[in-house]
Amino acid sequence: GNSVTQMEGPVTLSEEAFLTINCTYTATGYPSLFWYVQYPGEGLQLLLKATKADDKGSNKGFEATYRKETTSFHLEKGSVQVSDSAVYFCVQGAGGTSYGKLTFGQGTILTVHP
Amino acid sequence: EPEVTQTPSHQVTQMGQEVILRCVPISNHLYFYWYRQILGQKVEFLVSFYNNEISEKSEIFDDQFSVERPDGSNFTLKIRSTKLEDSAMYFCASSGTEGARGEQYFGPGTRLTVT
Repeated sequence: GNSVTQMEGPVTLSEEAFLTINCTYTATGYPSLFWYVQYPGEGLQLLLKATKADDKGSNKGFEATYRKETTSFHLEKGSVQVSDSAVYFCVQGAGGTSYGKLTFGQGTILTVHP
Repeated sequence: EPEVTQTPSHQVTQMGQEVILRCVPISNHLYFYWYRQILGQKVEFLVSFYNNEISEKSEIFDDQFSVERPDGSNFTLKIRSTKLEDSAMYFCASSGTEGARGEQYFGPGTRLTVT
């Protein structure tokens, strides 16, 4: 079945550091891929998405490229801020005729210090 | 900005009791979902709901679980006889498009504690 594996956390960085959170997936077919973020005390929010191979999703300085050859969707940001401290989830959509079941990675806690 | 809301934020119940978790999806959305996250584990899909019926459900969603859209705004998850292992954070989500390629909007979650 489908599964998502993301980098173990927690990740602690200083402000303005470079961020990478690795994510790989297994799937049949061609799923959509997402990064969701959960800020303290809030619900899950979509950060970015990519719906087909070689698409790059981007938002708020974060980027991720859908790599079919390596089945990866790594999240990057060139310069993190304290306000980026949150839990980040790599998520796979089922694709095909599925009515939207999402498969989540385990989440990576990011803490950014001033 | 429209958002998904969930009540209560925290529910404590005794084993064997029935609980109903409530969600108000975004008003023009058509697809509704429940997920759960047991502490320390991944967020897991439970069920999707469209056109007043279940579209898809996971193995977790057994006969103890049911969903309903009792009126035009609420979407509920009922657990008939709670077990200790039902303790988790439950998230409701809704989508305005066929969700596989679209964005799902999540509520803040209800923390269910079964004692």
